[in-house]
Amino acid sequence: NAGVTQTPKFQVLKTGQSMTLQCAQDMNHEYMSWYRQDPGMGLRLIHYSVGAGITDQGEVPNGYNVSRSTTEDFPLRLLSAAPSQTSVYFCASSYTGGGESYTFGSGTRLTVV
Amino acid sequence: GQQVMQIPQYQHVQEGEDFTTYCNSSTTLSNIQWYKQRPGGHPVFLIQLVKSGEVKKQKRLTFQFGEAKKNSSLHITATQTTDVGTYFCAGSGGSYIPTFGRGTSLIVHP
Repeated sequence: NAGVTQTPKFQVLKTGQSMTLQCAQDMNHEYMSWYRQDPGMGLRLIHYSVGAGITDQGEVPNGYNVSRSTTEDFPLRLLSAAPSQTSVYFCASSYTGGGESYTFGSGTRLTVV
Repeated sequence: GQQVMQIPQYQHVQEGEDFTTYCNSSTTLSNIQWYKQRPGGHPVFLIQLVKSGEVKKQKRLTFQFGEAKKNSSLHITATQTTDVGTYFCAGSGGSYIPTFGRGTSLIVHP
């Protein structure tokens, strides 16, 4: 099993550009989520999904869109990148979201210039 | 909403000294999880505590869940350089989605 796979690992964007961060898991997990990690701020939840076709906002959703068309994939879209979105992004999944361990991807380091 | 405070933010220790990080929630938790993130890496699950007053051990690591289920701690005995990293707690309350603390970065000096 590959676990949770994130691509790309590194990305540099210009302000105003859009892009999609990919996340895929092969563990048949229903719950998937996106976090951003900034120095001293811990892990902040951007969006999450409890199953295919269902998504919801987390703590810091502005500037990001998600969709969940399959159980395996949960892409995160930056609509118009801003320097404030420079961060490390982690995708995480678990069987149902509550009361179980989360498996994290290796992260995407995004820089917006 | 639920808040999870974690202290300290940083801790420097000499190799062989003990280390403790504390996690406090503004609300009663149904469970709490602990994760370790090595420098440049991603968070990796360590353990989950569910019961009031629960204590679990993993080799030199001891995890505790408070009687009121609002606080938790991670204690490392005789730190080693391999313990370097950031330790996060993540608590779940009424909403099953966990709230992560800001983490404690452990720096071990050889």
